[in-house]
Amino acid sequence: DGGITQSPKYLFRKEGQNVTLSCEQNLNHDAMYWYRQDPGQGLRLIYYSQIVNDFQKGDIAEGYSVSREKKESFPLTVTSAQKNPTAFYLCASSIVATRMSYNEQFFGPGTRLTVL
Amino acid sequence: AQKVTQAQTEISVVEKEDVTLDCVYETRDTTYYLFWYKQPPSGELVFLIRRNSFDEQNEISGRYSWNFQKSTSSFNFTITASQVVDSAVYFCALLYSGGGADGLTFGKGTHLIIQP
Repeated sequence: DGGITQSPKYLFRKEGQNVTLSCEQNLNHDAMYWYRQDPGQGLRLIYYSQIVNDFQKGDIAEGYSVSREKKESFPLTVTSAQKNPTAFYLCASSIVATRMSYNEQFFGPGTRLTVL
Repeated sequence: AQKVTQAQTEISVVEKEDVTLDCVYETRDTTYYLFWYKQPPSGELVFLIRRNSFDEQNEISGRYSWNFQKSTSSFNFTITASQVVDSAVYFCALLYSGGGADGLTFGKGTHLIIQP
């Protein structure tokens, strides 16, 4: 089945450690996104990528890094510089946007990160 | 700047009642897209509908209907004859055609509780 997978579902990190969240899609979508969700809040954009080897910062990129070496994969690293990383992280993908049309984003099941 | 306001933090109704979720948006762009997503307890966001700013026709899909009014910058969502399975957090989101595949701007969500 086509879709987006995120792993792990739950992740625990000690303060000062970097952790990497996985996101893989087999929808053949060009664009991929990372969002952060805090309790009672909407989703906020961390990074997005329209094509391989290119990505852009979103609204809250500080303390995060990404890579896009393959079309199917868009891993997110939460670095020790991120002061409050405990949150729910959602990955999404969409057919690449053009000036005339934007397509809906499809979301993965999310990773819940907890800093101990 | 773009902004989405979902003033209703939580709504609780009894099964079979109709319920409307409000969404008000702000944007200076003339071309933009509006979305509704459902987030069940599992966490994954489920796409419900996309609307572009040039299409003000209301839409009905089964028990779901959407009322888009540019004059009031609103994109409200109504569930008719609600069911317990409709219980979830619902997000309204805005995307403007700024030329890039930017992420969505989300409202903070409305937690809908359908009581049996």
